[in-house]
Amino acid sequence: NAGVTQTPKFQVLKTGQSMTLQCAQDMNHNSMYWYRQDPGMGLRLIYYSASEGTTDKGEVPNGYNVSRLNKREFSLRLESAAPSQTSVYFCASSEGLQAFFGQGTRLTVV
Amino acid sequence: GESVGLHLPTLSVQEGDNSIINCAYSNSASDYFIWYKQESGKGPQFIIDIRSNMDKRQGQRVTVLLNKTVKHLSLQIAATQPGDSAVYFCAEMDSSYKLIFGSGTRLLVRP
Repeated sequence: NAGVTQTPKFQVLKTGQSMTLQCAQDMNHNSMYWYRQDPGMGLRLIYYSASEGTTDKGEVPNGYNVSRLNKREFSLRLESAAPSQTSVYFCASSEGLQAFFGQGTRLTVV
Repeated sequence: GESVGLHLPTLSVQEGDNSIINCAYSNSASDYFIWYKQESGKGPQFIIDIRSNMDKRQGQRVTVLLNKTVKHLSLQIAATQPGDSAVYFCAEMDSSYKLIFGSGTRLLVRP
């Protein structure tokens, strides 16, 4: 079982560029999440999807959009990247209380 | 690269001692409280959860205590081992499955 797979693992963007972070889970979980973790800090919720077809804002949604493409996939889009969005992005899925996390995407915006 | 937990409070314990990691939460409407462990370069891993109508729950070598009066959560790790060195986060989940992470604590286990 792959669990939660994020692509890409690393990305460098120039200010103003756009990109989409991909996340897929193979555990048939209903809920999926996107977090960002700044260096040496905790995780902040960007968006989440409690079930297929629904998405909701988290703590820091500004500058991001999400798409719950189907039950397996939940993508995060940066329309116009800013240096303040330099971070490690984690995707997670859960069925109940136990969330499973991907390995993270390390994004640098220059 | 950057280190997880660089700017977080640190708890240093001797191998074999018990560790107590504390967390204050703010949302009284949370239905569940959860502890996660994050090792450097990895995503968080689930440790244990507790429902809001409970005050104690035990797992293997870990115990979680919940004090709703003062909005305080603690994780006790018995006989701490070097493999327990990591950053520990408390988290809250509400009825809409929104999962919010709280402050973290870096645990260092001295041999």
